[in-house]
Amino acid sequence: SQTIHQWPATLVQPVGSPLSLECTVEGTSNPNLYWYRQAAGRGLQLLFYSVGIGQISSEVPQNLSASRPQDRQFILSSKKLLLSDSGFYLCAWSVQYEQFFGPGTRLTVL
Amino acid sequence: DQQVKQNSPSLSVQEGRISILNCDYTNSMFDYFLWYKKYPAEGPTFLISISSIKDKNEDGRFTVFLNKSAKHLSLHIVPSQPGDSAVYFCAARTSGSARQLTFGSGTQLTVLP
Repeated sequence: SQTIHQWPATLVQPVGSPLSLECTVEGTSNPNLYWYRQAAGRGLQLLFYSVGIGQISSEVPQNLSASRPQDRQFILSSKKLLLSDSGFYLCAWSVQYEQFFGPGTRLTVL
Repeated sequence: DQQVKQNSPSLSVQEGRISILNCDYTNSMFDYFLWYKKYPAEGPTFLISISSIKDKNEDGRFTVFLNKSAKHLSLHIVPSQPGDSAVYFCAARTSGSARQLTFGSGTQLTVLP
C-alpha cells in the first residue's frame, strides 16, 4: 500500500531564516506530487505541483520554491521566511483521480 | 476568483439526522469532483468522488449529488455521527496530466450527541 511522509510535523522559525520541508511517497511510481498551504481559517491553496523528476510548476508567486530530486521526493524551500509564510503545509500525491495527503507540517514564523 | 465555493463556513446537526454540505462551482471544464474530510492538525482524507457524467454516487452513509446545470454538488451524510465532526472540503478537477484540484474553503460540520 502507498504511504506518504512529511517532516517535520511542527516547526517554529524566525523571520528571515531558511526553510526546508520534505515529503516522500512509498508504494507507487511516478506519482504527481503537490504542495498546498492552509492558512488559519482558510481553504487549501495549491502552491506547487510536479508531474516528474525536475518538473515543477508554480501556482502562485511567492518566496517559496519546490524541487523534486527523486521520483518520490518533493521538497519545499525558502531562502528567507516571511511572517505571512506561517500556516499548515500539506504534501499530496496522485496517480489516478484522487489526491492523497500527508499528515502536514505546522509552520510558525515569528 | 473562487472557482469552487462553499458558502456555509459551519453546520451543526443532531446525531442521527442528515447532514447536507453544499458546494458551487463556476468552471464548466471541471470533470471530476471530490469530497475530503479534515481533522485539526491532520491531512485531509478522501471521502467520495463523482465524475461529471454521473449525477449521484453512494458509499455507505455518504452520498454525493451533482447538478451540472446548476453547477452545484452536495454531500449527504446519513445518519450523522459525532465522529463525522470535521471540516469538509469539496474539490474539483480539470482534465490534464497534472490533475490539479481546486478546493473550496471548507465547511466545519459539528454533529451534536
